[in-house]
Amino acid sequence: QQQVKQSPQSLIVQKGGISIINCAYENTAFDYFPWYQQFPGKGPALLIAIRPDVSEKKEGRFTISFNKSAKQFSLHIMDSQPGDSATYFCAASLYSGAGSYQLTFGKGTKLSVIP
Amino acid sequence: GAVVSQHPSWVICKSGTSVKIECRSLDFQATTMFWYRQFPKQSLMLMATSNEGSKATYEQGVEKDKFLINHASLTLSTLTVTSAHPEDSSFYICSASAVVRETQYFGPGTRLLVL
Repeated sequence: QQQVKQSPQSLIVQKGGISIINCAYENTAFDYFPWYQQFPGKGPALLIAIRPDVSEKKEGRFTISFNKSAKQFSLHIMDSQPGDSATYFCAASLYSGAGSYQLTFGKGTKLSVIP
Repeated sequence: GAVVSQHPSWVICKSGTSVKIECRSLDFQATTMFWYRQFPKQSLMLMATSNEGSKATYEQGVEKDKFLINHASLTLSTLTVTSAHPEDSSFYICSASAVVRETQYFGPGTRLLVL
């Protein structure tokens, strides 16, 4: 079964610290791995994404590390700020036919950044 | 770029009535649109995938006669919840992707409350 396992379920980090969220997958056919940020009552917003031929991608304070052999990837938020407090979802994409790709989501991590 | 809107953002209806939710891609042509359902503190559950001009593909367990999906143009998809009941109360989110692209852009969501 196609699954993406995400941990931890919740995370509390002090302002200025590093937030790390981990995801693992089983299906090696997944070929695109985005991270989404969701604030309460809002839709998810694309944060950063990576393909399996790249081991790391950085955009500002957000970095994805990807370990293809271990089938794991993680999101690192450097210099975490209270405004980063949100729920983060990792996802994995698979071609589902008819020109479309489907996302399989992790269960989410609620991040709280305290002053 | 890549903005997706949803209307309405909030709807309250009586049990037995039907509710229509619109999803629009504002600045790109969405060949594929997705409809998700999200319960409080849970991940996104894919309900159906629709390609422009084709019938929607529903996920297992989703009643196609209850959740009617129409994707009549490259910028508009609608979800109609027919004969809504209190158990249909949820947060409904659409997403859209362009031609053969993995990235999904999400709308802001629609909160449905059925009394």
